[in-house]
Amino acid sequence: KAGVTQTPRYLIKTRGQQVTLSCSPISGHRSVSWYQQTPGQGLQFLFEYFSETQRNKGNFPGRFSGRQFSNSRSEMNVSTLELGDSALYLCASSLVLAGAPYEQYFGPGTRLTVT
Amino acid sequence: ELKVEQNPLFLSMQEGKNYTIYCNYSTTSDRLYWYRQDPGKSLESLFVLLSNGAVKQEGRLMASLDTKARLSTLHITAAVHDLSATYFCAVDINGDSGNTPLVFGKGTRLSVIA
Repeated sequence: KAGVTQTPRYLIKTRGQQVTLSCSPISGHRSVSWYQQTPGQGLQFLFEYFSETQRNKGNFPGRFSGRQFSNSRSEMNVSTLELGDSALYLCASSLVLAGAPYEQYFGPGTRLTVT
Repeated sequence: ELKVEQNPLFLSMQEGKNYTIYCNYSTTSDRLYWYRQDPGKSLESLFVLLSNGAVKQEGRLMASLDTKARLSTLHITAAVHDLSATYFCAVDINGDSGNTPLVFGKGTRLSVIA
């Protein structure tokens, strides 16, 4: 079974620009979560989508947004980029079973550099 | 607010030695995950611990969970260089409306030296 894929893998943008990152989950996984990883703040949750609906949102400004498509693929968008948005953005997918815990599988990440 | 603390944050150990990484969390949960991350890479799932007293072992790594103490340990036996990586623990909570997001510890950067 193919793993979680993310595109692009590397991205360099300028302050003020916007960026869109893409994530394709493992086949059959309907939950997609996004995390930001930086040396200073570590791994922080951005948002989670299930069945095209955002179920959870982390403590990030409105410049960070996302969506999920009917095939469970997800995109996240960051507008008006700031230097502090430079990070590794990780996407994770999981099954969702009623009342049962689940395991998240992470993609390779998109390394975003803002100059 | 769920908080997850790992210690130590940095660990340099000699090949062949044993050591333990600790993960404490602040809110009742019976679900804890351990991940490994190599430099510049993504997170690789190591263990999923789903109940009090759960113990899992894979090679030189063994993880356990004590939900009453809100503590998980990752024990390394007879370390080898290939274990050098950053290890994260993460916790989530199964709420009425589904699972909550993972909250990660800051990670333990392990370096195994000859």
